[in-house]
Amino acid sequence: SQQGEEDPQALSIQEGENATMNCSYKTSINNLQWYRQNSGRGLVHLILIRSNEREKHSGRLRVTLDTSKKSSSLLITASRAADTASYFCATDRRNQGGKLIFGQGTELSVKP
Amino acid sequence: NAGVTQTPKFRVLKTGQSMTLLCAQDMNHEYMYWYRQDPGMGLRLIHYSVGEGTTAKGEVPDGYNVSRLKKQNFLLGLESAAPSQTSVYFCASIGQGRGGELFFGEGSRLTVL
Repeated sequence: SQQGEEDPQALSIQEGENATMNCSYKTSINNLQWYRQNSGRGLVHLILIRSNEREKHSGRLRVTLDTSKKSSSLLITASRAADTASYFCATDRRNQGGKLIFGQGTELSVKP
Repeated sequence: NAGVTQTPKFRVLKTGQSMTLLCAQDMNHEYMYWYRQDPGMGLRLIHYSVGEGTTAKGEVPDGYNVSRLKKQNFLLGLESAAPSQTSVYFCASIGQGRGGELFFGEGSRLTVL
């Protein structure tokens, strides 16, 4: 089964609002990463959080990780129309030799 | 510095034909991956490689073969294409060892008729 399930599947907000996306996973991980994909393009790395970290910030992005609940969230503050994209979490599985497994993604639409 | 380059970018095949997708990276990365992306399915790992001469199966390996004869190249082969293999294929490589970020190519759109 797919590791890394994001919710919601789709999210529509107004410019200036915050957007929160969640990711759940099933097995122990080394780290969890978030990626962004603009329509028709490859994925771009946003942020990586290691299994011993609880929170990480990068500009308008805030990522949390709760290993006891096997879940992570990505918060985009003060969203902009340019943030419209699909967002994916990826888990680096512990003891599985380099596998990086992606979730199904959250499609974010930010309306101006 | 080109990063990760995939060729071809588009291809149309007939059922039963074979083809190879080439992924090339110029960042001296050890780990390389092939994913497929289908609507509503996210990215699914087909095969990956942790170094030159090594390959391993991912989540959906059936119908595909891979080779990593040179460190910079990772080839994905379809021996007998099926309509179910119509998809967008992404190659990626990882820097800084396993704890690093993935760098993606721009994708290869394959249609099997």
